[in-house]
Amino acid sequence: NAGVTQTPKFRVLKTGQSMTLLCAQDMNHEYMYWYRQDPGMGLRLIHYSVGEGTTAKGEVPDGYNVSRLKKQNFLLGLESAAPSQTSVYFCATGGAALLVTQYFGPGTRLTVL
Amino acid sequence: DQQVKQNSPSLSVQEGRISILNCDYTNSMFDYFLWYKKYPAEGPTFLISISSIKDKNEDGRFTVFLNKSAKHLSLHIVPSQPGDSAVYFCAASALTSYDKVIFGPGTSLSVIP
Repeated sequence: NAGVTQTPKFRVLKTGQSMTLLCAQDMNHEYMYWYRQDPGMGLRLIHYSVGEGTTAKGEVPDGYNVSRLKKQNFLLGLESAAPSQTSVYFCATGGAALLVTQYFGPGTRLTVL
Repeated sequence: DQQVKQNSPSLSVQEGRISILNCDYTNSMFDYFLWYKKYPAEGPTFLISISSIKDKNEDGRFTVFLNKSAKHLSLHIVPSQPGDSAVYFCAASALTSYDKVIFGPGTSLSVIP
């Protein structure tokens, strides 16, 4: 039972490159989230999904796209990476009956040069 | 403007003593509050929560107090242990949007043996 996993763990990109971060969960949770963590800023919500095939914008969605084609996977895409997107990215899940408590993955550290 | 504030970036406490972490919020619609704990290179993990219908919730060494009139909550850890050294995030959610949780910037707690 892996819980919430994120791929990759680390990545270095050059400005303008694209990449996709994968979040996978085996908890059968409906809700999935992407956050970014920056020093002094806490965790800020980028996008989230309330079920398979749905996505919604969070606080800081610009420059990111997401897809939830399967219930267990939530993908975060950067089409043209910028240095301002250097951050640690966390995926989280929440069950419909436990909307508020979230379960986090281990994070992906992304550096954009 | 941050809706959830943790004004102490760091806190040091002797082992065995009480640790008190503070959190203030500005949105009066928030009615559910959580604390998460984060170790380096790991994702945050849920620690304890409190609903606005209560003013105290206890779980072992951890107690959260809520003062709604002051829009203030605090996490007490008694007694503090070296393994409690971590970053603690305060988070809040509103009944009207439980799918979104707003996190504070975090407080780094160091428990000195």
